[in-house]
Amino acid sequence: AQSVTQLGSHVSVSEGALVLLRCNYSSSVPPYLFWYVQYPNQGLQLLLKYTSAATLVKGINGFEAEFKKSETSFHLTKPSAHMSDAAEYFCAVSRSGAGSYQLTFGKGTKLSVIP
Amino acid sequence: IAGITQAPTSQILAAGRRMTLRCTQDMRHNAMYWYRQDLGLGLRLIHYSNTAGTTGKGEVPDGYSVSRANTDDFPLTLASAVPSQTSVYFCASGKGGNRNTGELFFGEGSRLTVL
Repeated sequence: AQSVTQLGSHVSVSEGALVLLRCNYSSSVPPYLFWYVQYPNQGLQLLLKYTSAATLVKGINGFEAEFKKSETSFHLTKPSAHMSDAAEYFCAVSRSGAGSYQLTFGKGTKLSVIP
Repeated sequence: IAGITQAPTSQILAAGRRMTLRCTQDMRHNAMYWYRQDLGLGLRLIHYSNTAGTTGKGEVPDGYSVSRANTDDFPLTLASAVPSQTSVYFCASGKGGNRNTGELFFGEGSRLTVL
């Protein structure tokens, strides 16, 4: 079974400060890993994904994440937070099952950006 | 605009009533999914379909049923709604098969309140 743990249900940063959202996974096979973002009253949209190519993955809106197998981590970072980054972020791991892939999500981290 | 359409956007329902949440996609994706989102629990998979004509149970399938008569539509039915089914429901789709890395595309959600 695969699972994802997001450390911190709520993170607050000042505008311009570093954003670091933590995600650790467990998987018996090399995983695909994802970060999704959800803005208020909207569905989830893909921020970035790791699919066994480069370990440092760049996504939209200046976000990036690094896959570290030895630490089973896939933390999300952004050098300088913007007010528009305030949202909920979900880490997810993909597992193969019966002819398809299914995502298992973490419980989410709500990011607040303080002016 | 290509994507996933969910209906209704919001619904208040009396306990014991039957309810069908509709989901339509126009991306010709093979795989479709229903998730529920609850505060502090993240997204949990209810049912999925790898391809038209097939369905499978996810993590929390009890009290829900689905059908997949064609590629585009994947309705979710609550046969007899209970208050614990109060949630936000998201439909999602993915390419499926060997091309699928688990990346999903989400609808805007259906907010259901069962009284």
